[in-house]
Amino acid sequence: DQQVKQNSPSLSVQEGRISILNCDYTNSMFDYFLWYKKYPAEGPTFLISISSIKDKNEDGRFTVFLNKSAKHLSLHIVPSQPGDSAVYFCAASGLVNTGKLIFGQGTTLQVKP
Amino acid sequence: DTAVSQTPKYLVTQMGNDKSIKCEQNLGHDTMYWYKQDSKKFLKIMFSYNNKELIINETVPNRFSPKSPDKAHLNLHINSLELGDSAVYFCASSLAGEETQYFGPGTRLLVL
Repeated sequence: DQQVKQNSPSLSVQEGRISILNCDYTNSMFDYFLWYKKYPAEGPTFLISISSIKDKNEDGRFTVFLNKSAKHLSLHIVPSQPGDSAVYFCAASGLVNTGKLIFGQGTTLQVKP
Repeated sequence: DTAVSQTPKYLVTQMGNDKSIKCEQNLGHDTMYWYKQDSKKFLKIMFSYNNKELIINETVPNRFSPKSPDKAHLNLHINSLELGDSAVYFCASSLAGEETQYFGPGTRLLVL
């Protein structure tokens, strides 16, 4: 019972273009969502987050959109850069305020020069 | 000035052995976590501690025993290692009540 799903295992985009990474969730109790970026042989690094009371949060080239009715969020990276090539994990929290993060399985982004 | 550190980075051992992984954070956080990333790349929480008190204990075999000597350290001891324990183990930390967790570099465990 995967509560957070990233249905695209991989994505390839050209440098300078927009990258859109998607994430779906099933549990309506989730109230906070995060995106992490992970390079090989390193730990996940926090990228950006959004509370369920918002529908958009922007930080530089990164924007996260939340559609609560569809239980869907997306991460937009624009413009994409080769250094953005990594695995991106979507995570959700809010279950009984435990601090427990539920992760998706990740999407590997490749940005081609 | 590493924020969350783990030792060792790699661990290769035989089935049946007992091993420990150490984690330390210098962020001043009071909550620490252990996650396991399996062969399918899913990151799943195993334990969390807040100020040395166990908060989350997922369905993990009791061969796994976390120990928190102080709020800056959370170690993971694994008894009687099995092949299925092979995975990458990540430590993380956060401030209580805050959602953002900061991860260590991971410990790659291979059980032969």
